[in-house]
Amino acid sequence: GEDVEQSLFLSVREGDSSVINCTYTDSSSTYLYWYKQEPGAGLQLLTYIFSNMDMKQDQRLTVLLNKKDKHLSLRIADTQTGDSAIYFCAETTSGTYKYIFGTGTRLKVLA
Amino acid sequence: ETGVTQTPRHLVMGMTNKKSLKCEQHLGHNAMYWYKQSAKKPLELMFVYSLEERVENNSVPSRFSPECPNSSHLFLHLHTLQPEDSALYLCASSQDLANSPLHFGNGTRLTVT
Repeated sequence: GEDVEQSLFLSVREGDSSVINCTYTDSSSTYLYWYKQEPGAGLQLLTYIFSNMDMKQDQRLTVLLNKKDKHLSLRIADTQTGDSAIYFCAETTSGTYKYIFGTGTRLKVLA
Repeated sequence: ETGVTQTPRHLVMGMTNKKSLKCEQHLGHNAMYWYKQSAKKPLELMFVYSLEERVENNSVPSRFSPECPNSSHLFLHLHTLQPEDSALYLCASSQDLANSPLHFGNGTRLTVT
């Protein structure tokens, strides 16, 4: 079945860039999403990319998609302590409501 | 108030209790979802409603019973739960059933004793 994989942990220093990676298996994936979950909260939609795009930038966030390798990344520039959270990658296919989520990457930002 | 609101935020219940989780979305979306989030597991889709009609019941035990009285409200009725049902229950909505991102509430942290 479809699968989305992420590394479990990432630690960076405040002010550095963070890169969170995700791989997926479904070649028919159409939309790929990044969500952020802070302690005690739900998942907050950060950004998403359509599969015919290679890159999307939104302020400090840059999403890169390598469709050939089925690899998605989220780069956070100038990482702040408030960026400490769990980041989830998710994918879905056009015409379906089934979102496949990764198990999340816990980002820790060191002051 | 905007977004997706879930109540209560925390719930502790015994295995013989009956309780309900409530979700309300103020986004004008047409689809609503219940997800279960357990530690070290991917999010599990439980139920999906589109325009108040259930379109998915993802092999969820009958001790969980959803209700969607209108497109803005979604309930999850709970009865005779088991300790392994302890988890964070997340409600989400999306503009349409497909091709639109999910917007989540803050969840209800459920503990079954």
